[in-house]
Amino acid sequence: EDQVTQSPEALRLQEGESSSLNCSYTVSGLRGLFWYRQDPGKGPEFLFTLYSAGEEKEKERLKATLTKKESFLHITAPKPEDSATYLCAVQAWYTGNQFYFGTGTSLTVIP
Amino acid sequence: DVKVTQSSRYLVKRTGEKVFLECVQDMDHENMFWYRQDPGLGLRLIYFSYDVKMKEKGDIPEGYSVSREKKERFSLILESASTNQTSMYLCASRVGANEQYFGPGTRLTVT
Repeated sequence: EDQVTQSPEALRLQEGESSSLNCSYTVSGLRGLFWYRQDPGKGPEFLFTLYSAGEEKEKERLKATLTKKESFLHITAPKPEDSATYLCAVQAWYTGNQFYFGTGTSLTVIP
Repeated sequence: DVKVTQSSRYLVKRTGEKVFLECVQDMDHENMFWYRQDPGLGLRLIYFSYDVKMKEKGDIPEGYSVSREKKERFSLILESASTNQTSMYLCASRVGANEQYFGPGTRLTVT
């Protein structure tokens, strides 16, 4: 069964302490890998799309990278406002419109 | 900016009631989706629609139906609400093979 696994489940960082979140996937024929940010009680907010191994995307303190079986979301010098749950989703060529979501990493950045 | 709106942020219904959740997007997207999100289970696809009057079942369609009479509007119907349908419901839309954009969510409680 296709699976998306995110780790760690929860992460606490001091403000300024850089780290990485992991998203590993088992789908074959990746069509796209998507990162979202979700604040409590709200809908996910789109961050990045990655399509092929070696691709990287950046936005402010966030940088997403992709290999053949996993993606990393690197957070550089995080601030308290980066606290949120980060979700990863994958779409395979054979699954049509369906995305498979991980259960997310809950990030807390302490001032 | 893409805007996806949902009819209610919070809803409380009684067991056995018929429940309508409505979603509207303003970007002329052909694809629309309904998910539910539960702690530890992530986002699970209920139904999606790739055109007006067209729909496909997702992973957990039991107990739900959908309606798409206009391109911008996608409704989720709980024919007879049950307590195990208490959840956060998220609507999303997308164009082509690109990322999905989510609405703010409806937190439904069935008592």
